[in-house]
Amino acid sequence: QKEVEQDPGPLSVPEGAIVSLNCTYSNSAFQYFMWYRQYSRKGPELLMYTYSSGNKEDGRFTAQVDKSSKYISLFIRDSQPSDSATYLCAMKASTGNQFYFGTGTSLTVIP
Amino acid sequence: DSGVTQTPKHLITATGQRVTLRCSPRSGDLSVYWYQQSLDQGLQFLIQYYNGEERAKGNILERFSAQQFPDLHSELNLSSLELGDSALYFCASSALQGFQETQYFGPGTRLLVL
Repeated sequence: QKEVEQDPGPLSVPEGAIVSLNCTYSNSAFQYFMWYRQYSRKGPELLMYTYSSGNKEDGRFTAQVDKSSKYISLFIRDSQPSDSATYLCAMKASTGNQFYFGTGTSLTVIP
Repeated sequence: DSGVTQTPKHLITATGQRVTLRCSPRSGDLSVYWYQQSLDQGLQFLIQYYNGEERAKGNILERFSAQQFPDLHSELNLSSLELGDSALYFCASSALQGFQETQYFGPGTRLLVL
C-alpha cells in the first residue's frame, strides 16, 4: 500500500465550479500537509500548508485535514481556466525527513 | 519564482554517459531534496542533504550520487545512464513556516537519454 493515495483524474469542470481534490494516507504519524500546483513542465508550486487537523483558507483555496479519517482535501472556489494544472498533495511526519507525495490530480477548467 | 535555481534546464545525452545536475537552494535554506518525476511514477524522492550532510535516502539508484557543498549548492550525479533515466529532476529546499517545514521547488532539469 502506498503511503499517499491520490486519484489521478483527469478532472474537467466548467469555469466557476467548485473543485474538490482529495488524498488519503495510511501513516498516522503524518502531521504536516501541503498542496502543490504544477503546471506542465514546471516545478511544483506550494499552494497551501496546514498542520494537523482543521481547515485553512487562502483566497479561493481551502485546505481541510481530517486526521481521524486520514483524509485531506483542497477546495477551489470559482475555478478559473488558469487553475488548470496538476495538483499534488504532500505530507510529512513530525519526525523523519522525508516528504511523501501523491501522484497528482490533473485538473482542466473549461471556459 | 521560488528562489530555487537549477541548471541546466534541458539535457540530452546518450546511454552510458554521465551527467551532473546542479541546484542552488533559497537563500538561508540549509536543506536540499532531490526528486525524479517521470510520467508514470509521479514524484520520487531520491535523497536529502542538510548543511552538507546526507540526511535521508529514498529510491536512489547506486548509479546516482549527490553532494552538498559548503556554499549549500548541491549536485546530483547520474552515471551509466539508461533510457529509463529520462525524466524531470527537481530539487527543493525546505524552510520552516512557523513550526511547519515546507518545500520550495526549482524549475527542474529535463533529462533525455537517447
